[in-house]
Amino acid sequence: KNEVEQSPQNLTAQEGEFITINCSYSVGISALHWLQQHPGGGIVSLFMLSSGKKKHGRLIATINIQEKHSSLHITASHPRDSAVYICAVRWRGSQGNLIFGKGTKLSVKP
Amino acid sequence: ETGVTQSPTHLIKTRGQQVTLRCSSQSGHNTVSWYQQALGQGPQFIFQYYREEENGRGNFPPRFSGLQFPNYSSELNVNALELDDSALYLCASSLLEGEAFFGQGTRLTVV
Repeated sequence: KNEVEQSPQNLTAQEGEFITINCSYSVGISALHWLQQHPGGGIVSLFMLSSGKKKHGRLIATINIQEKHSSLHITASHPRDSAVYICAVRWRGSQGNLIFGKGTKLSVKP
Repeated sequence: ETGVTQSPTHLIKTRGQQVTLRCSSQSGHNTVSWYQQALGQGPQFIFQYYREEENGRGNFPPRFSGLQFPNYSSELNVNALELDDSALYLCASSLLEGEAFFGQGTRLTVV
């Protein structure tokens, strides 16, 4: 069983729609990352969270530590948002390495 | 742009050969982590270096080894390449337990 679960695995949306991607994890963490990966491989860090909520432009990330759950929201989605979105966690007491979910492939149609 | 650069971007090697991948960290970062990402999967942790010392290792055999240099750049070495080593190799630099910044990756194909 993967320790970091994301849903959905694949998501197709129309331009302008509000999008939510979910991430659940199984044990205590010190931080959770949301990452974006485009075809070709490069990964961009979107957010690092340990509590509460962060916002950057049209992206919002929230985390509920008690429920071991985080969400990434995209408002007014655009075709350029099409990418794989990956949730990664750092376990409390770990040596700093990240455990990754399998990713959510998002496709936004014009 | 993250300031983390990896070289080469693509590489084809023959089974049994050895390969060295390189990562230049973002300025000021003292920690480098290496990950292997097979097609369609999330990245898997290989190992981490902190101030030139190995600081943690994932479930990879000893033929995967690494180095971190005084300028905090890093190398990943893989000996006796196997077909299953074909993957995207990612490095991430950070301060220890800080936000990770990833390079573009090196796509290794073993034939």
